[in-house]
Amino acid sequence: QQPVQSPQAVILREGEDAVINCSSSKALYSVHWYRQKHGEAPVFLMILLKGGEQKGHEKISASFNEKKQQSSLYLTASQLSYSGTYFCGIRQGGSEKLVFGKGTKLTVNP
Amino acid sequence: NAGVMQNPRHLVRRRGQEARLRCSPMKGHSHVYWYRQLPEEGLKFMVYLQKENIIDESGMPKERFSAEFPKEGPSILRIQQVVRGDSAAYFCASSPQRVKGTQYFGPGTRLLVL
Repeated sequence: QQPVQSPQAVILREGEDAVINCSSSKALYSVHWYRQKHGEAPVFLMILLKGGEQKGHEKISASFNEKKQQSSLYLTASQLSYSGTYFCGIRQGGSEKLVFGKGTKLTVNP
Repeated sequence: NAGVMQNPRHLVRRRGQEARLRCSPMKGHSHVYWYRQLPEEGLKFMVYLQKENIIDESGMPKERFSAEFPKEGPSILRIQQVVRGDSAAYFCASSPQRVKGTQYFGPGTRLLVL
């Protein structure tokens, strides 16, 4: 079942912060975050495997709350290069495939 | 280390023709996934293959679509008798391992059916 991402879109000024949420109605095995720029391939950001896990990648970090079946992506001090559509992909137990949300479009303006 | 390669990058077909999309996984990766993306939408899983085996084809339309990953050569996604609704971006991803493996995406093939 497709995870629900929120918000659908967000507009920031350079240097501002944003949080993107990903929720599932079913138990999650792992959560995968990608960023896609228009006309390009999705680029892997990070994978979260355990409940309560947090990971960081420069100024982008994420948390995974297994109990709540949700993950959040945190972008701090946003840069122009952060613009794009962010997708969460979830893997449920017993399945290899990723089920992606509809995406959150992030626009960072100067 | 070359990433996932897909070709062609753009493909135009007339209704009723066949489309063949190729995907070469990253070196050392033996797991291949195909996804379809419609404009302004997320990625929809189609099929998961390992060398010479289809592991999960739950996302493949029952007719006209097939996929293979032979012992030698790239993975092929084949669409027979294309219709306008097949127009989309088709992405291939590869992974070095099951379950915990990160999937790395290729640049995609944009299929346009006239």
